[in-house]
Amino acid sequence: GENVEQHPSTLSVQEGDSAVIKCTYSDSASNYFPWYKQELGKRPQLIIDIRSNVGEKKDQRIAVTLNKTAKHFSLHITETQPEDSAVYFCAAYGYGQNFVFGPGTRLSVLP
Amino acid sequence: ETGVTQSPTHLIKTRGQQVTLRCSSQSGHNTVSWYQQALGQGPQFIFQYYREEENGRGNFPPRFSGLQFPNYSSELNVNALELDDSALYLCASSLEIDIAKNIQYFGAGTRLSVL
Repeated sequence: GENVEQHPSTLSVQEGDSAVIKCTYSDSASNYFPWYKQELGKRPQLIIDIRSNVGEKKDQRIAVTLNKTAKHFSLHITETQPEDSAVYFCAAYGYGQNFVFGPGTRLSVLP
Repeated sequence: ETGVTQSPTHLIKTRGQQVTLRCSSQSGHNTVSWYQQALGQGPQFIFQYYREEENGRGNFPPRFSGLQFPNYSSELNVNALELDDSALYLCASSLEIDIAKNIQYFGAGTRLSVL
């Protein structure tokens, strides 16, 4: 089955700096790669996703890149703000497969 | 919010008991998935239901079972509770079965504590 690894497990950045979180997946049949933000005690919230037919997607300060050959994808947050502090999860999915989350990255944006 | 509601929000049970968690999906959403999220970890897929039939199951024992009803509600049942079952249980609904084409929306979860 699919296995998703995520690095780093914790990340601290200064406000205004960029943050990058990387994930790798094992199953080449996966074709959908969402990113979720989860604040303490709250539900996972989809912040951006990418499908395997594109290499990059951007939404304001957030971007995701996908390298299908290397089976890795990354989340990029620019101009970080204190409200970006949360746990971020990547996930991988392909039709007929189970939806698999990474173990999470705790991002702290320091003022 | 997402239109997906879960009840109860918190629950305390003792080892060996049985528990039923409930989820109300967005109207029209034919697919519901359940996840277990242990403290400090990512959600783990338990199973998915599509039009009242189980469609995919993660690495969970048979004492984890579910039901989906025609009114877009669903249940997660856990028998013979163990201490390790303590976790946040999330349900997520999507319009159709292929999540790559239909975003799944999460409920706020039920936090289960097994003593």
